[in-house]
Amino acid sequence: KQEVTQIPAALSVPEGENLVLNCSFTDSAIYNLQWFRQDPGKGLTSLLLIQSSQREQTSGRLNASLDKSSGRSTLYIAASQPGDSATYLCVPETGANNLFFGTGTRLTVIP
Amino acid sequence: DAGVIQSPRHEVTEMGQEVTLRCKPISGHNSLFWYRQTMMRGLELLIYFNNNVPIDDSGMPEDRFSAKMPNASFSTLKIQPSEPRDSAVYFCASSLGRRTGELFFGEGSRLTVL
Repeated sequence: KQEVTQIPAALSVPEGENLVLNCSFTDSAIYNLQWFRQDPGKGLTSLLLIQSSQREQTSGRLNASLDKSSGRSTLYIAASQPGDSATYLCVPETGANNLFFGTGTRLTVIP
Repeated sequence: DAGVIQSPRHEVTEMGQEVTLRCKPISGHNSLFWYRQTMMRGLELLIYFNNNVPIDDSGMPEDRFSAKMPNASFSTLKIQPSEPRDSAVYFCASSLGRRTGELFFGEGSRLTVL
């Protein structure tokens, strides 16, 4: 069974700092990997989707990389803002609709 | 598009009562998922539908839980009878295809069973 680990579990940074969130997964036979954010009391919002054949995806200040063979993905956030405060979840998909959710990294960006 | 719409947003009920949660997926999406989120277990897939047909319900906790999708624009998750351990946030999500691609979540239904 796929296991997803996200490090750190919580992170607090001052506004403007660049940061990296790490994700590792045990089963490298994935179809894709998504990064989501979840705000308190809200649903999950998809940030980036990386197909298994891709190495990275970028959207604005966000860049996600994927090293499938080593079972790792990182989410890089540039010039962090208080509005980036949320929980970030790494979600690899193995097989049809088998998505495995990590427990997330809770990010706080301090103004 | 309004996104995935769930109702009710909050439900407080007493043990033994029937609970029905509702979901309207994004128009044109043909895959629909029900998830449950708790602090202890995180997000768990309960069931998913493709073209209104249940494909995998192995995550449904027990017979007290049932889900239906009578048409492409509506799904329900029913718990009967409800128990305190069912208290959680229930999310509905939809995507364009069976190989999910991007998954869109509703804002969830927070259920409290007293």
